[in-house]
Amino acid sequence: GAVVSQHPSWVICKSGTSVKIECRSLDFQATTMFWYRQFPKQSLMLMATSNEGSKATYEQGVEKDKFLINHASLTLSTLTVTSAHPEDSSFYICSARGVITDTQYFGPGTRLTVL
Amino acid sequence: EDQVTQSPEALRLQEGESSSLNCSYTVSGLRGLFWYRQDPGKGPEFLFTLYSAGEEKEKERLKATLTKKESFLHITAPKPEDSATYLCAVQGGGSQGNLIFGKGTKLSVKP
Repeated sequence: GAVVSQHPSWVICKSGTSVKIECRSLDFQATTMFWYRQFPKQSLMLMATSNEGSKATYEQGVEKDKFLINHASLTLSTLTVTSAHPEDSSFYICSARGVITDTQYFGPGTRLTVL
Repeated sequence: EDQVTQSPEALRLQEGESSSLNCSYTVSGLRGLFWYRQDPGKGPEFLFTLYSAGEEKEKERLKATLTKKESFLHITAPKPEDSATYLCAVQGGGSQGNLIFGKGTKLSVKP
């Protein structure tokens, strides 16, 4: 149980284009979903927290107009990187937390490369 | 300020050589301490949640313990497939219950 999927697993795009990443909780309802990014050999950095049906809460220094987060249902959250640039290249990981437990379950991650 | 420090940064073991990883933390109102395993290029895999001092949990060759200031992840007779980065995170009493992660311990187990 407690499986979280992400799609796509990797994406390469040109500078200036937008990229959407999906995060799904497959076997539980996620009231809260989190988006992280991870640079090589570094730990996870929280970008934003979203509750189903509410606006996302962004961490300090994260541009909300650049990283659009939608959490429209209890099983799906999306992260859209708008007008991506090479410095946005990173490993993006989502996690989901259900109603009963405080445990966050993580997706497999999405490798974004912006050329 | 909530903080998590993991040590050592890297640990090399021979197969069968038991050892422990340390996670020291300072947090306002601990709601939970979490251990995850992360393989290269993958998302973290949940291992354990500990809620109160004195609590212990086991899974195969891994055993996690918790005190008021730190947690240990004991690895008994490790195998090469245990090689990974082990992440410790705490959840404090702040808004949204976000996790504060340590930088991880990279474990390498040689056959």
